[in-house]
Amino acid sequence: QKEVEQNSGPLSVPEGAIASLNCTYSDRGSQSFFWYRQYSGKSPELIMFIYSNGDKEDGRFTAQLNKASQYVSLLIRDSQPSDSATYLCAVNERNQFYFGTGTSLTVIP
Amino acid sequence: SQTIHQWPATLVQPVGSPLSLECTVEGTSNPNLYWYRQAAGRGLQLLFYSVGIGQISSEVPQNLSASRPQDRQFILSSKKLLLSDSGFYLCAWGRGDTQYFGPGTRLTVL
Repeated sequence: QKEVEQNSGPLSVPEGAIASLNCTYSDRGSQSFFWYRQYSGKSPELIMFIYSNGDKEDGRFTAQLNKASQYVSLLIRDSQPSDSATYLCAVNERNQFYFGTGTSLTVIP
Repeated sequence: SQTIHQWPATLVQPVGSPLSLECTVEGTSNPNLYWYRQAAGRGLQLLFYSVGIGQISSEVPQNLSASRPQDRQFILSSKKLLLSDSGFYLCAWGRGDTQYFGPGTRLTVL
């Protein structure tokens, strides 16, 4: 059974701060990793994906992958109230996605 | 660009009634298609996935079934709904390593 673990939160950060979201996974052979954002009552939307160890930056978002430690993280710089949502971590294994339960983020104005 | 549609957006059904949810994808061919359920306060549960017409894999034994009658059409069905079937049903399409979700159907079984 492949497992993807996330701290459910809630995580609260002030506006303008850096929000750090973490995720660990159980299958050492996993190759691709994804972050989705889900607003309340809406479907998840893809933010970023990462395949290689290290950092990948896209605007205010940075994904970090450490395959040796089996964790992937998402940093959100200059957090905005519109970033308040649940963030889902996912691992792709042979075209099947395994999702964590999500971390709820609240950005306080 | 690719677009994924789901309908209906919301549905309230009595226990024991049948169910049919439809998902269609535009702008791509031969996508992988997925049905997920998200119960209140819980994570995404993969129900079915399909790599082609008529090819369905079930992840969880339950009273639900899925069919893929056309390349870009995926249908989720039940003959008799249970209370535990309530939730947010999401269809997703994928190609290669990425996966994108439709708007979802919120089902309440009373």
